[in-house]
Amino acid sequence: AQSVSQHNHHVILSEAASLELGCNYSYGGTVNLFWYVQYPGQHLQLLLKYFSGDPLVKGIKGFEAEFIKSKFSFNLRKPSVQWSDTAEYFCAVITGYSSASKIIFGSGTRLSIRP
Amino acid sequence: GAGVSQTPSNKVTEKGKYVELRCDPISGHTALYWYRQSLGQGPEFLIYFQGTGAADDSGLPNDRFFAVRPEGSVSTLKIQRTERGDSAVYLCASSLNGAPGIADTQYFGPGTRLTVL
Repeated sequence: AQSVSQHNHHVILSEAASLELGCNYSYGGTVNLFWYVQYPGQHLQLLLKYFSGDPLVKGIKGFEAEFIKSKFSFNLRKPSVQWSDTAEYFCAVITGYSSASKIIFGSGTRLSIRP
Repeated sequence: GAGVSQTPSNKVTEKGKYVELRCDPISGHTALYWYRQSLGQGPEFLIYFQGTGAADDSGLPNDRFFAVRPEGSVSTLKIQRTERGDSAVYLCASSLNGAPGIADTQYFGPGTRLTVL
């Protein structure tokens, strides 16, 4: 069965530190990859997405992610975090060619930034 | 509307009761999805609609769960004989359903927090 793994359940960083959140998926075919963020008290928002082309994807608020097909990975990075980045981050995948299809989410990584 | 809306925001019910959760998608979005998020977990797919029909209901946990979208816009998730294990946040999302081969971005609503006592 297709799945998404986020190995870091809770990450604590100081402001200005660099961030990398791991994400691995299990599916051998075509994938569309996403990172969603959920700020405290808010709903899920799209941070960035990969469909095809350049495997390095840039999103909002200075985030980026790199799709490495050989490693089935889509890690999220940010060079310098801010206190406002405190949130829950979800990696997700859609498999196949349909334009509308279910998203398979990872279990999430809670990011806490110390001011 | 500006985004996906869901009502009620909170629902507390007793074990064995029937509940309905409503989702209003973004205007013009033909695809609508329901997910369930338990504490400490990522959202889990339940069902999705293309227009009025359920295109994939493989995530519904059992026959107590049912969803409809009679006019291709608003959707209602219905849960019969609720159990304590049904307690979770129920999320709705919608997407435009554009060209094949490119997954649409799904836009999520704020969710309905269901508590079964």
